[in-house]
Amino acid sequence: GESVGLHLPTLSVQEGDNSIINCAYSNSASDYFIWYKQESGKGPQFIIDIRSNMDKRQGQRVTVLLNKTVKHLSLQIAATQPGDSAVYFCAEKEDGYNKLIFGAGTRLAVHP
Amino acid sequence: NAGVMQNPRHLVRRRGQEARLRCSPMKGHSHVYWYRQLPEEGLKFMVYLQKENIIDESGMPKERFSAEFPKEGPSILRIQQVVRGDSAAYFCASSQLNNEQFFGPGTRLTVL
Repeated sequence: GESVGLHLPTLSVQEGDNSIINCAYSNSASDYFIWYKQESGKGPQFIIDIRSNMDKRQGQRVTVLLNKTVKHLSLQIAATQPGDSAVYFCAEKEDGYNKLIFGAGTRLAVHP
Repeated sequence: NAGVMQNPRHLVRRRGQEARLRCSPMKGHSHVYWYRQLPEEGLKFMVYLQKENIIDESGMPKERFSAEFPKEGPSILRIQQVVRGDSAAYFCASSQLNNEQFFGPGTRLTVL
């Protein structure tokens, strides 16, 4: 289940299940979106990206969906593993600018 | 090919002291970005630099903070007269032009 409070929202899943992490972005001019995984004490690690001229992109066990109409991005992880436990951030970038704008993050907890 | 390197990994300063954070980009990368992360929050853009130039400093506080990326050597983020509110994790990323940003492991600054 998902809980929201003062801390990061947490998504708890069973090992082997599929996970879906959602993100609402803010800037309709953003044309490039990235999902990052951050493990405790480490820097963000690139997972997958998508440009605004696409609505879906697949990687190994991961899929990113982009809905520009409602400014929504999602990350789907198939067959979630304990090693997937981390905080996941979406980030957006506007054409002509190099800075990334990060979302608030979702903690994924995978239980055996 | 070594990744983005940051040092120190942990830095403790007393209020009023100066903090210097260093970042060596990946080999072949001439673009450096600094981000700040508070606990349980996403990364916030601070500054974007190319060799010897500050390109975008829209996220930098107006006072006490400065950044440089000299022709030779690492990029430096300098915080003068630190206050407790400066305690955070500071991440550096590097890229080739308009390409994926690779993040370093971060420097965790604690102000006593």
